[in-house]
Amino acid sequence: DVKVTQSSRYLVKRTGEKVFLECVQDMDHENMFWYRQDPGLGLRLIYFSYDVKMKEKGDIPEGYSVSREKKERFSLILESASTNQTSMYLCASRRTGGTGELFFGEGSRLTVL
Amino acid sequence: AQSVAQPEDQVNVAEGNPLTVKCTYSVSGNPYLFWYVQYPNRGLQFLLKYITGDNLVKGSYGFEAEFNKSQTSFHLKKPSALVSDSALYFCAVRDGANNLFFGTGTRLTVIP
Repeated sequence: DVKVTQSSRYLVKRTGEKVFLECVQDMDHENMFWYRQDPGLGLRLIYFSYDVKMKEKGDIPEGYSVSREKKERFSLILESASTNQTSMYLCASRRTGGTGELFFGEGSRLTVL
Repeated sequence: AQSVAQPEDQVNVAEGNPLTVKCTYSVSGNPYLFWYVQYPNRGLQFLLKYITGDNLVKGSYGFEAEFNKSQTSFHLKKPSALVSDSALYFCAVRDGANNLFFGTGTRLTVIP
């Protein structure tokens, strides 16, 4: 079975803290993505990576950064968390050259107090 | 630019009745269209996709979707709803950068 694992399902952080969200996939996929999900707004793309050490901004990259040092791992970093970053964060992956189908992790629900 | 519209935030249907969740899209070129389902506190699961070929696409859990090019629609359907189908459903279209652009979601509630 294909698997995308997000290490933290639930996190509570304080304003100004640095937050790391980790995502690992075991499908040898080249492409990895971070979305945030908010009620009424659907999924919005934060950052994506087509390969190791590559990264591209999505639609809402402000306040976030990413790291892709290994093919299987894609990390989302909130340098200084703010309350408006309270959200559900979803990691996804897919192989290059496919039809675009994404495989998602279970999500990380972040609350910033 | 691409866009996806799910005009209904909420759809309620009685168990055993047919269900439809609506989606319309706008994209340059040939559309690649997807449906995903999200159960509470879970990630998104792939249901089905339209790339080319037959306008009626069959997917997981008895769901199907009808692609209509003239109406730019890709509605999700199921002949007989189950209570366990209650979930959040997302329509998505592949954009020019080969990324998926998602709609805002439709919450389906199947009433016993």
